[in-house]
Amino acid sequence: EIVLTQSPGTLSLSPGERATLSCRASQSVSSSFLAWYQQKRGQAPRLLIYGASSRATGIPDRFSGSGSGTDFTLTISRLEPEDFAVYYCQQYGSSPTFGQGTKVEIK
Amino acid sequence: EVQLVQSGAEVKKPGESLKISCKGSGYYFTNYWIGWVRQMPGKGLEWMGVIYPGDSDTRYSPSFQGQVTISADKSISTAFLHWSSLKASDTAMYYCARQTSGYFPFDYWGQGTLVTVSS
Repeated sequence: EIVLTQSPGTLSLSPGERATLSCRASQSVSSSFLAWYQQKRGQAPRLLIYGASSRATGIPDRFSGSGSGTDFTLTISRLEPEDFAVYYCQQYGSSPTFGQGTKVEIK
Repeated sequence: EVQLVQSGAEVKKPGESLKISCKGSGYYFTNYWIGWVRQMPGKGLEWMGVIYPGDSDTRYSPSFQGQVTISADKSISTAFLHWSSLKASDTAMYYCARQTSGYFPFDYWGQGTLVTVSS
């Protein structure tokens, strides 16, 4: 099973700042089968990024994904008030797994 | 509009059985995988397994194999998650979600079903 480790656990930032979230895999992720989701309190997760760098339908371009192999990054270029949430990475190759999440909170 | 609508919250006792549901609409239900994801209170997401309603091909996470059963009834566009004997540790929010193919992420999610198991 591929273990995904997200860092940091919590990111404290102000609106307008840049957020950089990391997701590291215990082994190489096949064909960049890596996604990012956003989950707000009391809501279901929402797909943001798939294929490591492709934005899902309707996702603003301030969200971007990068990386390959074992190291992946989600960047939010300028935080909007609605972006404060928990973010999860997921590898969706064989036997999919999620990372433990990074909480982006208001500083 | 694609929608996944899950059944309502459940309160059960340890040892009881339970089946929760997820009804898809707005798309061809038989052509997309449906998966289940667990979120224990205050914790992260856990991938449980998926089913392809077209032929009932089902895949489980090793952590959930033998603990739950995933099924689907394509005639009513509904997927199910079943426990034969609940434990207190099954208390969690359970989400269903749609997957375009075997190697795609979940693009649409249900609203979640809260399962509480307590004596």
